Amino acid sequence: AQSVTQPDIHITVSEGASLELRCNYSYGATPYLFWYVQSPGQGLQLLLKYFSGDTLVQGIKGFEAEFKRSQSSFNLRKPSVHWSDAAEYFCAEQYSSASKIIFGSGTRLSIRP
Amino acid sequence: NAGVTQTPKFRVLKTGQSMTLLCAQDMNHEYMYWYRQDPGMGLRLIHYSVGEGTTAKGEVPDGYNVSRLKKQNFLLGLESAAPSQTSVYFCASSYPESGAFFGQGTRLTVV
Repeated sequence: AQSVTQPDIHITVSEGASLELRCNYSYGATPYLFWYVQSPGQGLQLLLKYFSGDTLVQGIKGFEAEFKRSQSSFNLRKPSVHWSDAAEYFCAEQYSSASKIIFGSGTRLSIRP
Repeated sequence: NAGVTQTPKFRVLKTGQSMTLLCAQDMNHEYMYWYRQDPGMGLRLIHYSVGEGTTAKGEVPDGYNVSRLKKQNFLLGLESAAPSQTSVYFCASSYPESGAFFGQGTRLTVV
């Protein structure tokens, strides 16, 4: 069955430090992959998406993600986090353009001053 | 440009009552989705639609029904609400390869 795994429930990093959030997907040789961010009490905002081509994709707010088919992973990275990056982050997968979008359980990011 | 609009934003129901949540999008998207969000469980897909007049079950469809009579609207119904349906409900829409665009959510409490 289609599933997305985010193994880290909560991560705390210091402001200015680098960040990597992990995501593993389970379905499809070339899935469509997404990262979303949710601030408290808000809806979800798309950070970036991958469909094909270059395996390193750039998104908004300085985020990037790398697709690694051999590891079934799509990890989110940022070189230097800001206090405003504190939020919950969700990875999502869609195995074809006309199929359902399935989300992981999320990773909550806290920023240490 | 309103995007995805959910109505209502908050609601308290008594066990056994029924209600309908309305989702409207003005982006002419083919696909629409209903998710519920519970602490520690991320977003779970309830039902989705790939076009007007079509619907399909997601991960947690029991206790819910949906209809997509018009392309821009996707309704989620609870026929007999239960406390286990207390949650935040999100509607989303998309077109191929766009990713989902989300509404602001509906906070539902069933007492």
